[in-house]
Amino acid sequence: GAGVSQSPRYKVAKRGQDVALRCDPISGHVSLFWYQQALGQGPEFLTYFQNEAQLDKSGLPSDRFFAERPEGSVSTLKIQRTQQEDSAVYLCASSSTFNYEQYFGPGTRLTVT
Amino acid sequence: QQQVKQSPQSLIVQKGGISIINCAYENTAFDYFPWYQQFPGKGPALLIAIRPDVSEKKEGRFTISFNKSAKQFSLHIMDSQPGDSATYFCAATMDSNYQLIWGAGTKLIIKP
Repeated sequence: GAGVSQSPRYKVAKRGQDVALRCDPISGHVSLFWYQQALGQGPEFLTYFQNEAQLDKSGLPSDRFFAERPEGSVSTLKIQRTQQEDSAVYLCASSSTFNYEQYFGPGTRLTVT
Repeated sequence: QQQVKQSPQSLIVQKGGISIINCAYENTAFDYFPWYQQFPGKGPALLIAIRPDVSEKKEGRFTISFNKSAKQFSLHIMDSQPGDSATYFCAATMDSNYQLIWGAGTKLIIKP
């Protein structure tokens, strides 16, 4: 079907607000990844799901960051009490079980003012 | 040891020329090396990938050269076109961990 979609595409939050970013992976893709991309830099790994299980959350920068994928499909990345340093593009990617190819969504650009 | 070092940071090539971007890695456990192309405002798109059991892989105008002993791999874009102007990222990962380790990116500009 369609590729990976993310919403919203842009989000402006005031410092201290909570935000929720959504990712719809490619249908049937078992693996789902979240990355953070600062301006002019490469993406940095945040967390990884296989179906509904969060197998790796070593890249989450603080306990203000939380991700879930309760039914093994759509995923939400939640950031509590946003800080200015959280401003970045948040990318979601999905892949099938059979290879390492990760397909990326367009990202959500978060700006914390 | 987890790093992937990419160079150059930026590159300007004339239309029709060859664009070459290089990456180096330290971790010999890496076994999959993709290249991604990213246009402004878009997510990265997989361009081409290689595993260490081959020294070269070609897809259209794009070629990956892989040197296992030197722990280096490079992307060659033949007959570069203005539409190739984008940021290119190399990456690496290993069987036990699907997390991609990314290079810092190369901003490529193809001059008409």
